[in-house]
Amino acid sequence: GAVVSQHPSWVICKSGTSVKIECRSLDFQATTMFWYRQFPKQSLMLMATSNEGSKATYEQGVEKDKFLINHASLTLSTLTVTSAHPEDSSFYICSARVGGTVSDQPQHFGDGTRLSIL
Amino acid sequence: AQRVTQPEKLLSVFKGAPVELKCNYSYSGSPELFWYVQYSRQRLQLLLRHISRESIKGFTADLNKGETSFHLKKPFAQEEDSAMYYCALSLSTGNQFYFGTGTSLTVIP
Repeated sequence: GAVVSQHPSWVICKSGTSVKIECRSLDFQATTMFWYRQFPKQSLMLMATSNEGSKATYEQGVEKDKFLINHASLTLSTLTVTSAHPEDSSFYICSARVGGTVSDQPQHFGDGTRLSIL
Repeated sequence: AQRVTQPEKLLSVFKGAPVELKCNYSYSGSPELFWYVQYSRQRLQLLLRHISRESIKGFTADLNKGETSFHLKKPFAQEEDSAMYYCALSLSTGNQFYFGTGTSLTVIP
């Protein structure tokens, strides 16, 4: 149980385009999902917390206009990288927590999306 | 400020030897701590969490609030334990989750 699906797994696009990444909880409802960014050989950095039906909470230093998050349903959150540039190339990972915001519940991770901007 | 510190980026041990992956945290509230593991070409997955006080795949971790540590231990390392291990801290508000920089464990046959 507790499967999180992330799509696409790899995307390559030209500089200036916008890219949408989907994160779905397949067998549970997730009122809260998380978006991370991971650079090569580095740890995951929390970008934002996505809350169903409300605005996302962004971490310090993350541009909310650049990384648009929408959490329209209890099973889907999307991250849109707007006007992507080569420096946005990275590995983006989403996760969802069973039980919403309960702090002692673990997160379940998607497989990640490798974004390459040419 | 770095909330979770894993001092060792790389750790190599021989098969059958004990292994300890260190994790220290910084948080004044009541922490919830986790260990996640990422095997080669697989997604990040939960290994264990302090609240359940369980042993998974022979690994244990004890929360030491005095030393603000949550070290991961296994008495006899196996080759299949080779992976990337991340210590993670969840704040009591529930909406923030911080990872350490990870430790790459290699178990030498």
